[in-house]
Amino acid sequence: DVKVTQSSRYLVKRTGEKVFLECVQDMDHENMFWYRQDPGLGLRLIYFSYDVKMKEKGDIPEGYSVSREKKERFSLILESASTNQTSMYLCASNLGDREETQYFGPGTRLLVL
Amino acid sequence: GENVEQHPSTLSVQEGDSAVIKCTYSDSASNYFPWYKQELGKRPQLIIDIRSNVGEKKDQRIAVTLNKTAKHFSLHITETQPEDSAVYFCAAWGSGGSYIPTFGRGTSLIVHP
Repeated sequence: DVKVTQSSRYLVKRTGEKVFLECVQDMDHENMFWYRQDPGLGLRLIYFSYDVKMKEKGDIPEGYSVSREKKERFSLILESASTNQTSMYLCASNLGDREETQYFGPGTRLLVL
Repeated sequence: GENVEQHPSTLSVQEGDSAVIKCTYSDSASNYFPWYKQELGKRPQLIIDIRSNVGEKKDQRIAVTLNKTAKHFSLHITETQPEDSAVYFCAAWGSGGSYIPTFGRGTSLIVHP
């Protein structure tokens, strides 16, 4: 059974802080994704990674960066948190190589004050 | 890039009724169309998917139909039950070198007992 975990379920940060969100998957998946989920806007892709140290921008990368130093771990970094980054952040992974089924983490609800 | 529109945004039905959620996509090269269910406070989970070489797929009370010509696909839930209440997301996976999904904005399904 695929397990995708995220470092925190809830996080409260102050404007200007650097924020790290971590995601770990245990099924040797090639691809990992970071989404932001806001009411009425669905799932919007921030960044994805198809290999260690490889990353590509999604639809809304501004204000975010990512790191993938190991295959199982994909980190999302908010360099200087702002109130408009208050949101639910979901990590996902999939095997790749035309195996598209995505497995999601439980989400991190981030509040920036 | 791909654009996915999902309707309706909310759907309210009585227990035992059928529910239909529709998605349209723009990229004719898209060839994989999953549906995810997200219960309140939980992660999205795949409930059914369809590939472009198939017109319909069923799994007990849920089915997905695909019309490639018109570029739309639909989720059908029969004999709805209160536990079907959730947000449902459709997605379309494109091709052309950027193999990532585009999600619809979600449909909040409420099944009244």
